[in-house]
Amino acid sequence: DAGVIQSPRHEVTEMGQEVTLRCKPISGHNSLFWYRQTMMRGLELLIYFNNNVPIDDSGMPEDRFSAKMPNASFSTLKIQPSEPRDSAVYFCASSSQQGAYEQYFGPGTRLTVT
Amino acid sequence: EDQVTQSPEALRLQEGESSSLNCSYTVSGLRGLFWYRQDPGKGPEFLFTLYSAGEEKEKERLKATLTKKESFLHITAPKPEDSATYLCAVQDPGTYKYIFGTGTRLKVLA
Repeated sequence: DAGVIQSPRHEVTEMGQEVTLRCKPISGHNSLFWYRQTMMRGLELLIYFNNNVPIDDSGMPEDRFSAKMPNASFSTLKIQPSEPRDSAVYFCASSSQQGAYEQYFGPGTRLTVT
Repeated sequence: EDQVTQSPEALRLQEGESSSLNCSYTVSGLRGLFWYRQDPGKGPEFLFTLYSAGEEKEKERLKATLTKKESFLHITAPKPEDSATYLCAVQDPGTYKYIFGTGTRLKVLA
């Protein structure tokens, strides 16, 4: 299996620009998670989907952030407009079921907003 | 509020020097405790899941154990390739969300 695939791996953009991060979960997994990792706050859950439906978006920092999962094999996390404080590594993870099951992480997207 | 605390923050060991990492948690009704390894520039890699007090799991030089309030990751005779950040997480029983600790940065010197 290819594992969780994320693109791009690195993104550098200017403040105010729109940023779209992409994720392809492991085939057959029906739960998908978006995380943000920073030195100060560690790994934080932003939003998760089960069977393509957003279940909990309480971790999304503000309205500038939005996420979609149009089908079982693709999800996006969008930031519009981006700000320097959004600079972080964004991870996507998937698991086979909702519940106490291990999550498998992608390689992450390192976002730098200047 | 559910919390996960890992200690120490950083640990330096000589090759072959065994030690343990700690993960203490406060959550009512543990669904699962998870250990991950994270190498620089990579995503966390799943190691173990523990579900109930007394449970143990092993993989090569690593052994994870669980009590009602904490988990230990024991590293026996570590090698330099074991150097990484080790993360633990618990699952909130009401929301299915994972709560991660801030990790222990392990450095094993040859």
